[in-house]
Amino acid sequence: SQLAEENLWALSVHEGESVTVNCSYKTSITALQWYRQKSGEGPAQLILIRSNEREKRNGRLRATLDTSSQSSSLSITATRCEDTAVYFCATDAGTGGYKVVFGSGTRLLVSP
Amino acid sequence: SVLLYQKPNRDICQSGTSLKIQCVADSQVVSMFWYQQFQEQSLMLMATANEGSEATYESGFTKDKFPISRPNLTFSTLTVNNARPGDSSIYFCSSREAGDQDTQYFGPGTRLLVL
Repeated sequence: SQLAEENLWALSVHEGESVTVNCSYKTSITALQWYRQKSGEGPAQLILIRSNEREKRNGRLRATLDTSSQSSSLSITATRCEDTAVYFCATDAGTGGYKVVFGSGTRLLVSP
Repeated sequence: SVLLYQKPNRDICQSGTSLKIQCVADSQVVSMFWYQQFQEQSLMLMATANEGSEATYESGFTKDKFPISRPNLTFSTLTVNNARPGDSSIYFCSSREAGDQDTQYFGPGTRLLVL
């Protein structure tokens, strides 16, 4: 079973709107990562938020982490068509090898 | 940052044959991994490629089926032995940059279709 799961399979917004993708996880973590995968490409890391952090920003992106409820969110403000992608959360096992276990992903469509 | 290159970017092969996928990093990386992604699904960690030693495989993946080599800190190969249609998927190599454990990088993927 997946150690991390995004709460929605798909989301659709219009350009300029804000959107939030939520994730829940089942294991103790050292960090949680958010990735974006555009069609035909490999995943690209957006944000890594450590277990002792509550919020992290990267431009229009903001990630939160709540270790008590084992949940995280990724918010995108002022969305653009090029934000259309699959967004994955992933748990960082932090066992020395830094292997990353992905959730099932939320498909975001940003339309004009 | 690290750039990862994969070769081939796609391939079609017959059932029962073997295919080798190469991954090259543009700089030395401490950790290298291989992931499998089926159409419209998540990425599944297959194994950690260890320099100069045997790879560490995740549950459901074996060295007989997916032998992995990593002769140095910039190169790894994944072989798909006795390919079956169920192996049709995208294979990604991934790395963590030495000295920067906060960022994981992925190659562009190798799309494999087994007939």
